[in-house]
Amino acid sequence: GAVVSQHPSWVICKSGTSVKIECRSLDFQATTMFWYRQFPKQSLMLMATSNEGSKATYEQGVEKDKFLINHASLTLSTLTVTSAHPEDSSFYICSARTKQAATGSYNEQFFGPGTRLTVL
Amino acid sequence: AQSVTQPDIHITVSEGASLELRCNYSYGATPYLFWYVQSPGQGLQLLLKYFSGDTLVQGIKGFEAEFKRSQSSFNLRKPSVHWSDAAEYFCALKAAGNKLTFGGGTRVLVKP
Repeated sequence: GAVVSQHPSWVICKSGTSVKIECRSLDFQATTMFWYRQFPKQSLMLMATSNEGSKATYEQGVEKDKFLINHASLTLSTLTVTSAHPEDSSFYICSARTKQAATGSYNEQFFGPGTRLTVL
Repeated sequence: AQSVTQPDIHITVSEGASLELRCNYSYGATPYLFWYVQSPGQGLQLLLKYFSGDTLVQGIKGFEAEFKRSQSSFNLRKPSVHWSDAAEYFCALKAAGNKLTFGGGTRVLVKP
């Protein structure tokens, strides 16, 4: 159980185009999804937190108009990189978390396999 | 603010030898700590986690980690590494809002 998928697994696009990445929780409902970015040989940096049915919360320094996040259902969140440029090339990873069982409790995040974006 | 430090960027070990990966954290409250493994081009797999209780935590693939509050550490160990353990390892801490803060990662190379 607790499988998270991402699609596509890799994408190559031309500069100036937009790219959409999907993150799905396959066997559970994810009230919260997180989007991370990972540069080569570096750690994961949280970009935004997405709660189902509400606007995403972006981390400081992340352009919300550049990285559009939609979490329209309990099993799907999408990240759209708008007007992509070569510096947006990176590995994007999502994670999903189930509904918190009780106040103060912690529900584990389950990670997707990642999407490698290359912008030419 | 919370932070996680992994002092070793890479470690090379011989197959069959023991492995220890260091993790130090800074956090004002009782931490929830995690170790993840990432194979090249893949997502993260949870190895183990510490929330409370026994400070020696057993995980998958023969890994264990020990929480030491006095040293603000959560080091990962494996008694005998296998070639398949070559990967990137990340220590992480749960902060407010259930966000995870990751360390910089340690790349493990396994020599035959």
